[in-house]
Amino acid sequence: DSGVTQTPKHLITATGQRVTLRCSPRSGDLSVYWYQQSLDQGLQFLIQYYNGEERAKGNILERFSAQQFPDLHSELNLSSLELGDSALYFCASSQTVYNSPLHFGNGTRLTVT
Amino acid sequence: AQKITQTQPGMFVQEKEAVTLDCTYDTSDQSYGLFWYKQPSSGEMIFLIYQGSYDEQNATEGRYSLNFQKARKSANLVISASQLGDSAMYFCAMRGRNSGNTPLVFGKGTRLSVIA
Repeated sequence: DSGVTQTPKHLITATGQRVTLRCSPRSGDLSVYWYQQSLDQGLQFLIQYYNGEERAKGNILERFSAQQFPDLHSELNLSSLELGDSALYFCASSQTVYNSPLHFGNGTRLTVT
Repeated sequence: AQKITQTQPGMFVQEKEAVTLDCTYDTSDQSYGLFWYKQPSSGEMIFLIYQGSYDEQNATEGRYSLNFQKARKSANLVISASQLGDSAMYFCAMRGRNSGNTPLVFGKGTRLSVIA
């Protein structure tokens, strides 16, 4: 158990809809990261938050947004969903040192129909 | 910026044999960390092993060891005495110290299949 909690585990929705993915980091971790993994693809970095503030942005679409709350949990909002958004979405957290690993949640598998 | 290259899309290994998964990297940072993760078919990402750029010894964690060759910019994962449960995707990743507290950059992964 990594200590990172992601909900829901599975999500099935229709094109054009909006969903929210939730993540609770490991106790003591201030950084939260969101990654997208499409079928047979590697992990694509979306966005990072550190102690409530956006720290880094990757290949995140304008239809996607995220935030980190004062209690350090984070939400990833995906809107105007398209079939190509179907993927496994991971949240990870880490300590604030470059040599600390990211600890991943079990992911949310999003299916857009 | 960092870049990770994993040139083996798929590998097969006989049970109880050792296997090496290749990883090369590129970075302008002098201090950096290298990580390996395992992703079984169930989907979770499991942290396996870490190697720091200034570590003099190769990292080891149980049956996992990292063959770190700094001059060649390679950080190959060695799995000894392979087990059927080792069948999974394996990702190499890195993060540079000068890049601050930034995300890990991942390679595209190697799918390892262990044969009985």
